[in-house]
Amino acid sequence: GAVVSQHPSWVICKSGTSVKIECRSLDFQATTMFWYRQFPKQSLMLMATSNEGSKATYEQGVEKDKFLINHASLTLSTLTVTSAHPEDSSFYICSDRRGTGGIGFGSGTRLTVV
Amino acid sequence: GENVEQHPSTLSVQEGDSAVIKCTYSDSASNYFPWYKQELGKRPQLIIDIRSNVGEKKDQRIAVTLNKTAKHFSLHITETQPEDSAVYFCAATDSGNTPLVFGKGTRLSVIA
Repeated sequence: GAVVSQHPSWVICKSGTSVKIECRSLDFQATTMFWYRQFPKQSLMLMATSNEGSKATYEQGVEKDKFLINHASLTLSTLTVTSAHPEDSSFYICSDRRGTGGIGFGSGTRLTVV
Repeated sequence: GENVEQHPSTLSVQEGDSAVIKCTYSDSASNYFPWYKQELGKRPQLIIDIRSNVGEKKDQRIAVTLNKTAKHFSLHITETQPEDSAVYFCAATDSGNTPLVFGKGTRLSVIA
Protein backbone atom coordinates (compact mmCIF):
# COMPACT_ATOMS: atom_id res chain seq x y z
CA GLY A 1 0.00 0.00 0.00
CA ALA A 2 0.83 3.66 -0.11
CA VAL A 3 3.68 4.64 2.19
CA VAL A 4 3.73 8.10 3.68
CA SER A 5 6.05 8.92 6.56
CA GLN A 6 5.17 11.71 8.98
CA HIS A 7 7.32 13.10 11.80
CA PRO A 8 7.15 13.74 14.63
CA SER A 9 4.36 11.50 15.84
CA TRP A 10 3.79 13.71 18.85
CA VAL A 11 5.15 17.00 20.10
CA ILE A 12 4.59 19.21 23.11
CA CYS A 13 5.61 22.83 22.76
CA LYS A 14 5.30 26.04 24.69
CA SER A 15 2.83 28.68 23.64
CA GLY A 16 4.42 31.14 21.22
CA THR A 17 6.93 28.72 19.74
CA SER A 18 6.88 27.15 16.29
CA VAL A 19 6.63 23.50 15.37
CA LYS A 20 7.54 21.87 12.06
CA ILE A 21 5.88 18.68 10.87
CA GLU A 22 7.36 16.70 7.98
CA CYS A 23 5.54 14.47 5.57
CA ARG A 24 7.41 12.24 3.12
CA SER A 25 5.98 10.16 0.35
CA LEU A 26 8.36 7.20 0.36
CA ASP A 27 7.32 5.35 -2.77
CA PHE A 28 5.66 7.99 -4.92
CA GLN A 29 6.54 11.38 -6.36
CA ALA A 30 3.75 13.49 -5.01
CA THR A 31 3.27 16.80 -6.77
CA THR A 32 0.33 17.40 -4.46
CA MET A 33 -0.09 16.61 -0.80
CA PHE A 34 -2.83 17.54 1.58
CA TRP A 35 -2.79 18.60 5.23
CA TYR A 36 -5.70 17.81 7.51
CA ARG A 37 -6.45 18.72 11.10
CA GLN A 38 -8.55 16.60 13.39
CA PHE A 39 -9.84 17.85 16.74
CA PRO A 40 -10.95 15.30 19.36
CA LYS A 41 -14.07 13.38 18.37
CA GLN A 42 -14.30 15.25 15.09
CA SER A 43 -13.64 14.48 11.47
CA LEU A 44 -10.58 15.23 9.37
CA MET A 45 -10.84 18.76 8.03
CA LEU A 46 -8.75 19.85 5.09
CA MET A 47 -6.45 22.73 5.95
CA ALA A 48 -4.48 23.19 2.77
CA THR A 49 -3.24 21.68 -0.45
CA SER A 50 0.52 21.59 -0.80
CA ASN A 51 1.80 21.99 -4.36
CA GLU A 52 5.38 21.08 -5.29
CA GLY A 53 7.25 24.14 -6.47
CA SER A 54 4.42 26.59 -5.93
CA LYS A 55 2.36 28.18 -3.19
CA ALA A 56 0.00 26.16 -1.09
CA THR A 57 -3.73 26.60 -1.38
CA TYR A 58 -5.48 27.19 1.93
CA GLU A 59 -9.04 26.41 2.89
CA GLN A 60 -11.31 29.17 4.07
CA GLY A 61 -10.61 30.11 7.66
CA VAL A 62 -7.06 28.70 7.75
CA GLU A 63 -4.43 31.40 8.27
CA LYS A 64 -1.68 30.99 5.71
CA ASP A 65 0.75 33.09 7.74
CA LYS A 66 0.24 30.86 10.77
CA PHE A 67 0.36 27.50 9.03
CA LEU A 68 3.33 27.68 6.69
CA ILE A 69 3.54 24.98 4.07
CA ASN A 70 6.60 24.19 2.02
CA HIS A 71 6.72 21.56 -0.72
CA ALA A 72 10.22 21.92 -2.07
CA SER A 73 10.56 18.42 -3.52
CA LEU A 74 8.36 15.71 -4.93
CA THR A 75 8.69 13.66 -1.79
CA LEU A 76 8.61 16.16 1.06
CA SER A 77 6.01 18.60 2.34
CA THR A 78 6.34 20.43 5.64
CA LEU A 79 3.79 22.20 7.80
CA THR A 80 5.06 24.74 10.30
CA VAL A 81 2.70 25.93 12.99
CA THR A 82 4.03 29.37 13.89
CA SER A 83 3.47 31.07 17.23
CA ALA A 84 1.49 28.10 18.43
CA HIS A 85 -1.29 28.58 20.97
CA PRO A 86 -3.26 26.04 23.01
CA GLU A 87 -6.15 26.20 20.53
CA ASP A 88 -3.78 24.84 17.87
CA SER A 89 -3.49 21.61 19.83
CA SER A 90 -4.80 18.96 17.50
CA PHE A 91 -3.98 15.89 15.43
CA TYR A 92 -2.38 16.91 12.14
CA ILE A 93 -2.19 14.40 9.31
CA CYS A 94 -0.94 14.58 5.75
CA SER A 95 -1.88 12.59 2.69
CA ASP A 96 -0.82 12.27 -0.90
CA ARG A 97 -2.90 11.49 -3.95
CA ARG A 98 -1.88 8.85 -6.42
CA GLY A 99 -4.54 9.16 -9.09
CA THR A 100 -6.11 5.77 -9.52
CA GLY A 101 -3.38 4.36 -7.28
CA GLY A 102 -5.12 5.41 -4.14
CA ILE A 103 -4.35 7.72 -1.27
CA GLY A 104 -1.64 7.44 1.34
CA PHE A 105 -1.88 8.90 4.82
CA GLY A 106 0.90 9.85 7.17
CA SER A 107 0.77 8.45 10.68
CA GLY A 108 -0.29 11.79 12.10
CA THR A 109 1.21 14.23 14.58
CA ARG A 110 -0.37 14.91 17.95
CA LEU A 111 0.45 18.53 18.80
CA THR A 112 -0.05 19.77 22.34
CA VAL A 113 0.62 23.43 23.06
CA VAL A 114 1.04 24.29 26.73
CA GLY B 1 -17.26 22.17 -3.44
CA GLU B 2 -18.06 18.69 -2.22
CA ASN B 3 -20.10 18.17 0.95
CA VAL B 4 -20.40 14.75 2.56
CA GLU B 5 -23.06 13.94 5.15
CA GLN B 6 -22.77 10.82 7.30
CA HIS B 7 -25.31 9.10 9.54
CA PRO B 8 -25.62 7.98 12.23
CA SER B 9 -23.01 9.65 14.39
CA THR B 10 -23.10 6.77 16.87
CA LEU B 11 -24.21 3.20 16.41
CA SER B 12 -24.38 0.35 18.91
CA VAL B 13 -25.03 -3.20 17.79
CA GLN B 14 -24.93 -6.61 19.42
CA GLU B 15 -22.10 -8.88 18.41
CA GLY B 16 -23.13 -10.87 15.37
CA ASP B 17 -25.64 -8.31 14.15
CA SER B 18 -25.18 -6.12 11.08
CA ALA B 19 -24.23 -2.46 11.03
CA VAL B 20 -25.09 0.01 8.31
CA ILE B 21 -23.64 3.49 7.91
CA LYS B 22 -24.96 5.85 5.25
CA CYS B 23 -23.42 8.81 3.46
CA THR B 24 -24.60 11.31 0.91
CA TYR B 25 -22.50 13.58 -1.26
CA SER B 26 -23.26 16.70 -3.24
CA ASP B 27 -20.78 16.91 -6.13
CA SER B 28 -21.81 14.83 -9.13
CA ALA B 29 -18.18 14.93 -10.31
CA SER B 30 -17.12 12.73 -7.38
CA ASN B 31 -16.40 9.21 -8.50
CA TYR B 32 -14.28 7.63 -5.79
CA PHE B 33 -15.79 6.73 -2.42
CA PRO B 34 -13.54 5.16 0.22
CA TRP B 35 -14.42 4.09 3.73
CA TYR B 36 -11.95 4.37 6.57
CA LYS B 37 -11.68 2.91 10.04
CA GLN B 38 -9.80 5.02 12.53
CA GLU B 39 -8.45 3.96 15.89
CA LEU B 40 -7.83 6.69 18.43
CA GLY B 41 -4.73 8.72 17.61
CA LYS B 42 -3.90 6.77 14.45
CA ARG B 43 -4.14 7.32 10.74
CA PRO B 44 -7.33 6.29 8.93
CA GLN B 45 -7.17 2.77 7.56
CA LEU B 46 -8.85 2.08 4.25
CA ILE B 47 -11.28 -0.79 4.65
CA ILE B 48 -13.10 -0.71 1.33
CA ASP B 49 -13.70 1.64 -1.55
CA ILE B 50 -15.94 1.90 -4.58
CA ARG B 51 -15.77 3.76 -7.84
CA SER B 52 -18.72 5.20 -9.68
CA ASN B 53 -18.73 2.59 -12.41
CA VAL B 54 -19.67 -0.03 -9.83
CA GLY B 55 -22.87 -0.33 -7.79
CA GLU B 56 -21.71 -2.72 -5.10
CA LYS B 57 -18.48 -4.18 -3.81
CA LYS B 58 -17.93 -6.81 -1.16
CA ASP B 59 -14.93 -7.96 0.82
CA GLN B 60 -15.73 -10.73 3.28
CA ARG B 61 -17.92 -9.19 6.01
CA ILE B 62 -17.76 -5.68 4.56
CA ALA B 63 -19.73 -4.35 1.62
CA VAL B 64 -20.33 -0.95 0.10
CA THR B 65 -23.19 0.08 -2.15
CA LEU B 66 -23.36 3.18 -4.33
CA ASN B 67 -26.38 4.89 -5.84
CA LYS B 68 -24.94 7.55 -8.11
CA THR B 69 -28.31 8.88 -9.16
CA ALA B 70 -29.30 9.58 -5.57
CA LYS B 71 -25.73 10.50 -4.60
CA HIS B 72 -25.54 8.17 -1.65
CA PHE B 73 -23.38 5.27 -0.59
CA SER B 74 -23.49 2.92 2.35
CA LEU B 75 -21.20 0.68 4.36
CA HIS B 76 -22.52 -2.68 5.51
CA ILE B 77 -20.72 -4.78 8.11
CA THR B 78 -22.17 -8.21 8.75
CA GLU B 79 -21.51 -10.58 11.66
CA THR B 80 -20.02 -7.75 13.69
CA GLN B 81 -17.27 -8.49 16.18
CA PRO B 82 -16.00 -6.46 19.15
CA GLU B 83 -12.86 -5.59 17.20
CA ASP B 84 -15.04 -3.79 14.66
CA SER B 85 -15.62 -1.12 17.32
CA ALA B 86 -14.02 2.09 16.03
CA VAL B 87 -14.83 5.33 14.27
CA TYR B 88 -15.70 4.95 10.61
CA PHE B 89 -15.48 7.74 8.03
CA CYS B 90 -16.84 7.89 4.54
CA ALA B 91 -15.22 10.16 1.99
CA ALA B 92 -15.63 11.33 -1.57
CA THR B 93 -13.41 12.76 -4.26
CA ASP B 94 -13.03 12.84 -8.01
CA SER B 95 -10.37 11.23 -10.18
CA GLY B 96 -8.20 14.34 -10.37
CA ASN B 97 -5.68 15.68 -7.92
CA THR B 98 -8.29 16.79 -5.43
CA PRO B 99 -8.46 16.03 -1.72
CA LEU B 100 -10.78 13.67 0.05
CA VAL B 101 -13.79 15.26 1.70
CA PHE B 102 -14.76 13.32 4.80
CA GLY B 103 -18.06 12.72 6.51
CA LYS B 104 -18.27 13.54 10.22
CA GLY B 105 -17.74 9.95 11.26
CA THR B 106 -19.69 7.20 12.97
CA ARG B 107 -18.63 5.73 16.28
CA LEU B 108 -19.52 2.05 16.11
CA SER B 109 -19.71 0.04 19.30
CA VAL B 110 -20.13 -3.72 19.08
CA ILE B 111 -21.39 -5.12 22.34
CA ALA B 112 -20.30 -8.63 23.22
